[in-house]
Amino acid sequence: GQNIDQPTEMTATEGAIVQINCTYQTSGFNGLFWYQQHAGEAPTFLSYNVLDGLEEKGRFSSFLSRSKGYSYLLLKELQMKDSASYLCAPMDSNYQLIWGAGTKLIIKP
Amino acid sequence: GAVVSQHPSWVICKSGTSVKIECRSLDFQATTMFWYRQFPKQSLMLMATSNEGSKATYEQGVEKDKFLINHASLTLSTLTVTSAHPEDSSFYICSVHGLAGDTGELFFGEGSRLTVL
Repeated sequence: GQNIDQPTEMTATEGAIVQINCTYQTSGFNGLFWYQQHAGEAPTFLSYNVLDGLEEKGRFSSFLSRSKGYSYLLLKELQMKDSASYLCAPMDSNYQLIWGAGTKLIIKP
Repeated sequence: GAVVSQHPSWVICKSGTSVKIECRSLDFQATTMFWYRQFPKQSLMLMATSNEGSKATYEQGVEKDKFLINHASLTLSTLTVTSAHPEDSSFYICSVHGLAGDTGELFFGEGSRLTVL
């Protein structure tokens, strides 16, 4: 079967760094997306990885290891507005995104 | 990237009535749109794939007669929740894939929150 495993909730301090891990199992693989979703809003795109390694984009970075079925999202210099759910979504061989429940990130002052 | 707009953002209706939600691709001709549903604290669940000019493809367990999808043009898809009941109360989100040559990321509409009394 296909499944996503992310922590349900994480807490971090403003200004700090947090890493959100994701392991996945899919039927085929066509890359992995990270989305941010604030409460009551639709998801917004953060990153896409299809090759192994680290992709850096401002305060956010995303890492992928295809052989391990593992990805992480790294958030630096945390701000209060980063409080949201972070969704790891691999794309399977049919180009369908597989969604988990996401990781709720709580930022404290 | 594509800009996707949904309407209405919020809707409250009485049990037994029907509700129509519109999804527009404002700057991109989308032959395919996706409809998702999300219950509180749960993952996005793909309901159906809307295909322009043909019948939608529904995911297993989604009643096609209850959730009517019409994709009459390249920029508009509509989802009609027929005879809505309180258990249909949810967050409904549409999306389109990016342009060819992009990463294939999904661009989401703002979402429509349905509350059935």
